[in-house]
Amino acid sequence: GAVVSQHPSRVICKSGTSVKIECRSLDFQATTMFWYRQFPKQSLMLMATSNEGSKATYEQGVEKDKFLINHASLTLSTLTVTSAHPEDSSFYICSALAGVYISSTDTQYFGPGTRLTVL
Amino acid sequence: KNQVEQSPQSLIILEGKNCTLQCNYTVSPFSNLRWYKQDTGRGPVSLTIMTFSENTKSNGRYTATLDADTKQSSLHITASQLSDSASYICVVSGGMTGGYNKLIFGAGTRLAVHP
Repeated sequence: GAVVSQHPSRVICKSGTSVKIECRSLDFQATTMFWYRQFPKQSLMLMATSNEGSKATYEQGVEKDKFLINHASLTLSTLTVTSAHPEDSSFYICSALAGVYISSTDTQYFGPGTRLTVL
Repeated sequence: KNQVEQSPQSLIILEGKNCTLQCNYTVSPFSNLRWYKQDTGRGPVSLTIMTFSENTKSNGRYTATLDADTKQSSLHITASQLSDSASYICVVSGGMTGGYNKLIFGAGTRLAVHP
């Protein structure tokens, strides 16, 4: 099946620093990628939809200036958490869309996630 | 409001036993329903995906059912193994806005299989 990778898998940083997380589709091109955040014992919450070559679409309540998304190629999207604070500590998961999103057979392939801990 | 509710919240079973997880949804318009398995600290992995016209779909020891009339789905796990211990997430694709569907996630059922 399709593979999506994330790097790094785990990061610990000091409060006030910025952290970049990469999401790559390894064996297919993904026009659309998604970024999710998951707090302990909760389900995934969509943060933003990333489209190659255009600005990301953020969900309500997600600060676009804090969570910078760049989808510069068909296989790479990056999420930068700027001026991270302890409340940003979470599990960040990306997914890449294979196929046409509005199709009933579209499939999202999820990355393995990145555990961010802000001290 | 588009919602996906799962039950039970958590479940403990003995190895080799069967179990059934439930999912109720209120998503309109409906496109498809997916079940994912998420191991702790990992991303979700797709188990099944069903469209409106499909009533059941199997993937090895996993069998999902869908009743589009009552808006209910179930995931049945047969002859459970220790490796089945994970969170199982029901996800409904639908609620189309702006020209595309969204994935609406349930909170998941945490399954623990004990020897």
